[in-house]
Amino acid sequence: DTAVSQTPKYLVTQMGNDKSIKCEQNLGHDTMYWYKQDSKKFLKIMFSYNNKELIINETVPNRFSPKSPDKAHLNLHINSLELGDSAVYFCASSQRSTGGGRNEQFFGPGTRLTVL
Amino acid sequence: AQKVTQAQTEISVVEKEDVTLDCVYETRDTTYYLFWYKQPPSGELVFLIRRNSFDEQNEISGRYSWNFQKSTSSFNFTITASQVVDSAVYFCALSGMYSGGGADGLTFGKGTHLIIQP
Repeated sequence: DTAVSQTPKYLVTQMGNDKSIKCEQNLGHDTMYWYKQDSKKFLKIMFSYNNKELIINETVPNRFSPKSPDKAHLNLHINSLELGDSAVYFCASSQRSTGGGRNEQFFGPGTRLTVL
Repeated sequence: AQKVTQAQTEISVVEKEDVTLDCVYETRDTTYYLFWYKQPPSGELVFLIRRNSFDEQNEISGRYSWNFQKSTSSFNFTITASQVVDSAVYFCALSGMYSGGGADGLTFGKGTHLIIQP
């Protein structure tokens, strides 16, 4: 069973379109994340979501919005796609320790988004 | 603000050589967590190790070992007797207890591309 899954694996679209990437985890974790990996392989946190609390990295454009229908899912919606949004997007999940300690995050396989 | 520096952009060694990947971090938190992840050519991110700031014991797992030194803010990773399958990009990452990488996530270094030649 895949622990963290993402769909689609590849997404090719035109500039200006709106698209979504789905993420599901079956690990029973209480926190989920979205990261962006650019063409130079640099990984940057975009969002974290824990128990209905959304924390947004201030550098993320408001065209990006995560939506969590339940604890096992954190989908990423992107409006008005731009060329610079082309990247690999990773979903991840982890379980908060009592006292707030940081456990390891488990990553999905990534979604390669190409904006033409 | 937090920062992770992996100064080695690319390392190339011949199979069976030992290789050390360097990681230096900056954080104002007194409680923090350090991680290493592997990204093979297939693209997934594989968790390797987690270490908290109060545990400075070195860790060994098979051919992999990690050296955590708070005095130099370093968390280095050594692969002994490297194999071609170790070829990947390796990321060091940091999460502070109170300033967790923005949006409560991991702050990653830029990664070291390790090439093991047969």
